[in-house]
Amino acid sequence: AQTVTQSQPEMSVQEAETVTLSCTYDTSENNYYLFWYKQPPSRQMILVIRQEAYKQQNATENRFSVNFQKAAKSFSLKISDSQLGDTAMYFCAFMTGGSQGNLIFGKGTKLSVKP
Amino acid sequence: NAGVTQTPKFQVLKTGQSMTLQCAQDMNHEYMSWYRQDPGMGLRLIHYSVGAGITDQGEVPNGYNVSRSTTEDFPLRLLSAAPSQTSVYFCASSYSGLVRSAYNEQFFGPGTRLTVL
Repeated sequence: AQTVTQSQPEMSVQEAETVTLSCTYDTSENNYYLFWYKQPPSRQMILVIRQEAYKQQNATENRFSVNFQKAAKSFSLKISDSQLGDTAMYFCAFMTGGSQGNLIFGKGTKLSVKP
Repeated sequence: NAGVTQTPKFQVLKTGQSMTLQCAQDMNHEYMSWYRQDPGMGLRLIHYSVGAGITDQGEVPNGYNVSRSTTEDFPLRLLSAAPSQTSVYFCASSYSGLVRSAYNEQFFGPGTRLTVL
């Protein structure tokens, strides 16, 4: 069974600084996908960034980028130039490819951006 | 498009009562799913459906029933509510029921906060 582990329950960062959230996963599959979701206080789940396991290049979306280390089964999220609006819960999620994959979430990291 | 809608937003039940959480999407998505979110636990999959008439269990299905009679709707039924079912429930949908890909993005509803006394 696949598992996703986020080892940092809470983190804080000063506005405009950079922060990295950690995520590790365990799987024997070769075809899978990884995601980071943001959940602000509004409770809405928002997709931040996605990565296909077969791609070696790390995904980037504006201020958000990932460090995908397939051999180490690590998928960290880097937020550059942190903004107050980045304050949220962040969830790492895993999904196998093919027809049977469902999202498996980590327990989340609560990020606070301080002015 | 309204996207994924859920009703109600909040609900309080007494132990043993039954109720249905409604979920609807207007994007013609094949795949729909229900998750529950508990503090410190992330989101856990309850049931999912890859198309009308097809449902399957997720990680935590006990105490919940689902059906999928139309593409648009995927209701979640609690037959006899228990305090352990106090949680926030999310419905999600994505375009393809059978093809998983990073770009087959799941869209989430706003959630329903359920309290069982």
